[in-house]
Amino acid sequence: DAKTTQPNSMESNEEEPVHLPCNHSTISGTDYIHWYRQLPSQGPEYVIHGLTSNVNNRMASLAIAEDRKSSTLILHRATLRDAAVYYCTRHSGGGADGLTFGKGTHLIIQP
Amino acid sequence: DTAVSQTPKYLVTQMGNDKSIKCEQNLGHDTMYWYKQDSKKFLKIMFSYNNKELIINETVPNRFSPKSPDKAHLNLHINSLELGDSAVYFCASSELAGGPKGSYNEQFFGPGTRLTVL
Repeated sequence: DAKTTQPNSMESNEEEPVHLPCNHSTISGTDYIHWYRQLPSQGPEYVIHGLTSNVNNRMASLAIAEDRKSSTLILHRATLRDAAVYYCTRHSGGGADGLTFGKGTHLIIQP
Repeated sequence: DTAVSQTPKYLVTQMGNDKSIKCEQNLGHDTMYWYKQDSKKFLKIMFSYNNKELIINETVPNRFSPKSPDKAHLNLHINSLELGDSAVYFCASSELAGGPKGSYNEQFFGPGTRLTVL
C-alpha cells in the first residue's frame, strides 16, 4: 500500500508542459515525497524528491502543497522519451527503508 | 558503464525448483535492496541490506533467502518455487539515508529479472 493516489493515465503533446498530480493526504510530517519513473522493460529511475519546499532539478520540478497533502510533478517540456509510468511515493528519509509503489500514472506523449 | 546489474534477465522454471538471482552494483553504495513487481505493476520492498547486514525483511516467505557476500553484491535464492512467485524482481542500491554520505535515499535500480514459474 503506497498510501498515495494518482490518476491511472494522462496524455500530453510533445514539447508541452505536463503536470502529474499525486494525493498523499495521510503523509506524516517527516516523510519525504519521492517520484520515480519506469520506462518500458526497465527498472524504476529516480526523478525528484522533496519535503516541504518546491524543488527543481535537471529532469523536473516538484510543487508541494502547503499542507503537504498533495504534490505535482512538472515536466516543463515533454519529449517522447518521457513516456513512462510515473510513481509518487512516500519515504521516511532514513536508514535503509524501502520504497512502495502503487499503480502510478501512465504518461502518454503524442508527437 | 552499468551501475546495477542483475543476472539472469529472464528465468523460466518449473514449480518446486530452486533458483538464484544475482545482483552487483559498482556505485560504492552501502545499501542494497530486493523488490518484487507483480503483474499489476505494484512494486514492494522485500529485503534491504546495509554493509552486508539485513535491515529490512518484509513479510516474505522464508523460501526467499538473500545473501550478501560483500557490499557490492546481494543475491536472492528462492527454494521450492511456486506459481505465485512469478514476477519481475528488481535489485537496487543507495547510500544509507541519513548516513554520513547523504541525507536522502535516491535508489538506483537494476534492469530486473523476469521470473516465470510453470
